[in-house]
Amino acid sequence: NAGVTQTPKFQVLKTGQSMTLQCAQDMNHEYMSWYRQDPGMGLRLIHYSVGAGITDQGEVPNGYNVSRSTTEDFPLRLLSAAPSQTSVYFCASSLQESTDTQYFGPGTRLTVL
Amino acid sequence: GQSLEQPSEVTAVEGAIVQINCTYQTSGFYGLSWYQQHDGGAPTFLSYNALDGLEETGRFSSFLSRSDSYGYLLLQELQMKDSASYFCAVQAGNMLTFGGGTRLMVKP
Repeated sequence: NAGVTQTPKFQVLKTGQSMTLQCAQDMNHEYMSWYRQDPGMGLRLIHYSVGAGITDQGEVPNGYNVSRSTTEDFPLRLLSAAPSQTSVYFCASSLQESTDTQYFGPGTRLTVL
Repeated sequence: GQSLEQPSEVTAVEGAIVQINCTYQTSGFYGLSWYQQHDGGAPTFLSYNALDGLEETGRFSSFLSRSDSYGYLLLQELQMKDSASYFCAVQAGNMLTFGGGTRLMVKP
């Protein structure tokens, strides 16, 4: 199993550009989530999904969209990038719920100029 | 909403024991988790407490007191490789909320 994979590893955007961060898992996990981590800080929940076709907002959803058309994939879209979105983005998955062990992807380091 | 408090930094020597505390405020509490993150890496799961008491996993133990909204992670026989950031996290409903993290520096 590859576990949780994220692409790209690094990305530089200009203000106003849009892009999609990809996340996939091959463990047949129902629960998937996106976090951002700013330097020296904890992880903040952006969006999460409890299964295909179901998504919900986390703590900091503004400026981001998600969809979950399949169990495996959970892409994160930045609609119009801003310098405040410069961060490291982690995708995570777990078997069923937030109470289950979260398996994190390697992260995407995003810089918005 | 949820909020968690943990010390920002702890320093200890190799072979020692260190305790990282976490206090939380949340509604709909289900449990307290601990994650480890090395610099440049992804968080990895260490432990989970849903009930009061101590859970032991090798050199690591985690404690929870639901009545005090308090938990801690205990690391024994510290090794240099334990130098990392440690995050407590609370499950409330379908959301997992992380604390700001405690940076542990282990010195020889």
